[in-house]
Amino acid sequence: GAGVSQTPSNKVTEKGKYVELRCDPISGHTALYWYRQSLGQGPEFLIYFQGTGAADDSGLPNDRFFAVRPEGSVSTLKIQRTERGDSAVYLCASSLDTLFEQFFGPGTRLTVL
Amino acid sequence: TQLLEQSPQFLSIQEGENLTVYCNSSSVFSSLQWYRQEPGEGPVLLVTVVTGGEVKKLKRLTFQFGDARKDSSLHITAAQPGDTGLYLCAGEGTGANNLFFGTGTRLTVIP
Repeated sequence: GAGVSQTPSNKVTEKGKYVELRCDPISGHTALYWYRQSLGQGPEFLIYFQGTGAADDSGLPNDRFFAVRPEGSVSTLKIQRTERGDSAVYLCASSLDTLFEQFFGPGTRLTVL
Repeated sequence: TQLLEQSPQFLSIQEGENLTVYCNSSSVFSSLQWYRQEPGEGPVLLVTVVTGGEVKKLKRLTFQFGDARKDSSLHITAAQPGDTGLYLCAGEGTGANNLFFGTGTRLTVIP
């Protein structure tokens, strides 16, 4: 497909477990963003990649959250020792370059029991 | 701390009615964007307003950016059930390369 894809679409895990969420950006897009959207809220910025490097990770809530983009395309958001408060929809977006329109994926709904 | 407050939070109207959604902040933004999000999907960009006082029209949707670039409004004329969704305003975040979203307005248009 031509859009941003995210897998899995839903993830249910137990408190304390480790999870990985994957984002496939639009081909050729150099910028990639992760956001978190809690129920009834707008998305909240987590981290931004330009190419392979994390250019801005100021939105990551704590050191349990980490993201990588080793080849400048696919990105993985990793959450260690999950907590119930981590339950949310995790959205990924990509853009052609910095300051261009961001295109969002459908999100991964994470539920921590 | 940046804050984009949207009002109303929820809006339920009959098909054919007009409505206005507001996005307000105490901060100045160089631009504001409006998105619509449907259940199970990510936000989709509707419009970007850049200049204070700017008005943009997109079919039945009219977007306005306040003169001081602190607020914006979205007006929908003759709402249709297909307009149902979550409307989000967003400005540039603390870094120039991320978006800071408002609290959202959930619109339901009843046939």
